[in-house]
Amino acid sequence: NAGVMQNPRHLVRRRGQEARLRCSPMKGHSHVYWYRQLPEEGLKFMVYLQKENIIDESGMPKERFSAEFPKEGPSILRIQQVVRGDSAAYFCASSPPWTVYNEQFFGPGTRLTVL
Amino acid sequence: GESVGLHLPTLSVQEGDNSIINCAYSNSASDYFIWYKQESGKGPQFIIDIRSNMDKRQGQRVTVLLNKTVKHLSLQIAATQPGDSAVYFCAENSGSGGSNYKLTFGKGTLLTVNP
Repeated sequence: NAGVMQNPRHLVRRRGQEARLRCSPMKGHSHVYWYRQLPEEGLKFMVYLQKENIIDESGMPKERFSAEFPKEGPSILRIQQVVRGDSAAYFCASSPPWTVYNEQFFGPGTRLTVL
Repeated sequence: GESVGLHLPTLSVQEGDNSIINCAYSNSASDYFIWYKQESGKGPQFIIDIRSNMDKRQGQRVTVLLNKTVKHLSLQIAATQPGDSAVYFCAENSGSGGSNYKLTFGKGTLLTVNP
């Protein structure tokens, strides 16, 4: 049973370019979460999605950031016109739909570097 | 705002000793807590969880203690091994207002195990 998969593992972008991060949840999981981690910091919640629905995007900057989880395919976190402050590790987590208490399983992360 | 924090940012122990990592939380509505282990360059790995109706839970070599009176959480690792070296995060889930999916992470404690 494969875990949460993220790609790419490392991404380098120049200021102004777009970054596209992909996350495939564990098999049977229909809930996806994105978190951002700055160096020597804990993870900060960004967005929670279910298939074709954004449930909560309160932790995501309103401009330049967007997320989707289509019916088919991975979840995508998209950052337009990246700036140096976007450099961070972005983690995706998933959980099954039946949990009452929310055990989330994390992927290996995508480390974004903006030059 | 509500936050989860740690008393000790770093902890160094000798191989074979027991380790104790502490965490303070401020949201009295939190009803579910998780400890994660994060090795360098990897995503957080679930270690153990505890619900607020319990004060102790044991796993393999790990024990989590919850003291709701003082809003304190600890992770005990028995017979610490070099492979336990990592950053340890506590995370809380408030479960309130329908947002029981949102994990709030502390900053992390770096555990170093000396051979």
